[in-house]
Amino acid sequence: SQQGEEDPQALSIQEGENATMNCSYKTSINNLQWYRQNSGRGLVHLILIRSNEREKHSGRLRVTLDTSKKSSSLLITASRAADTASYFCATDAWRSGNTPLVFGKGTRLSVIA
Amino acid sequence: SAVISQKPSRDICQRGTSLTIQCQVDSQVTMMFWYRQQPGQSLTLIATANQGSEATYESGFVIDKFPISRPNLTFSTLTVSNMSPEDSSIYLCSVGGAGGETQYFGPGTRLLVL
Repeated sequence: SQQGEEDPQALSIQEGENATMNCSYKTSINNLQWYRQNSGRGLVHLILIRSNEREKHSGRLRVTLDTSKKSSSLLITASRAADTASYFCATDAWRSGNTPLVFGKGTRLSVIA
Repeated sequence: SAVISQKPSRDICQRGTSLTIQCQVDSQVTMMFWYRQQPGQSLTLIATANQGSEATYESGFVIDKFPISRPNLTFSTLTVSNMSPEDSSIYLCSVGGAGGETQYFGPGTRLLVL
């Protein structure tokens, strides 16, 4: 079953604005990862945040994690047209030594120039 | 990090035929994962492939439909058998995730079944 659920499902903003996407999950996790996917291509790893971390930055990206609420957010500041993509959160599903990721449904971000 | 390549990058197939997708990693890895992404949907794990053992399939996926090979620590194949239009998806292989580390994905194989 789906572990993560992103909202909104779709987001349209103007270039230069900030974009915030949220992710909720159901069970305990070791870490949460955010990925970007352009036009049905492969996934690009953006950032990993561990369960004992609350906030992490990478360039224009800021990720927060609230394990008490089982939620995470991805903030993209000063968005650019090139940020147009689908964004997925994924959580590890620790099971018998395997750690395949379970993905949310994704947020489709459109940045309008 | 890991560099992953997949072949073919895309294909158009007739129903009833089979397609084998190859995944090559630039380093030795214990586990490789195969995902499916149906149009407009998220990624769903098909199976986990360990070298030297049978693949472990997720609920809803069976070996007869998606046979997997894992002949060594850098290579795996996924076959989509007896294809139907419902199999039209992007298929992605992935490695990593051990110890809660980053998981990396190949570029995907876009399959269209007519």
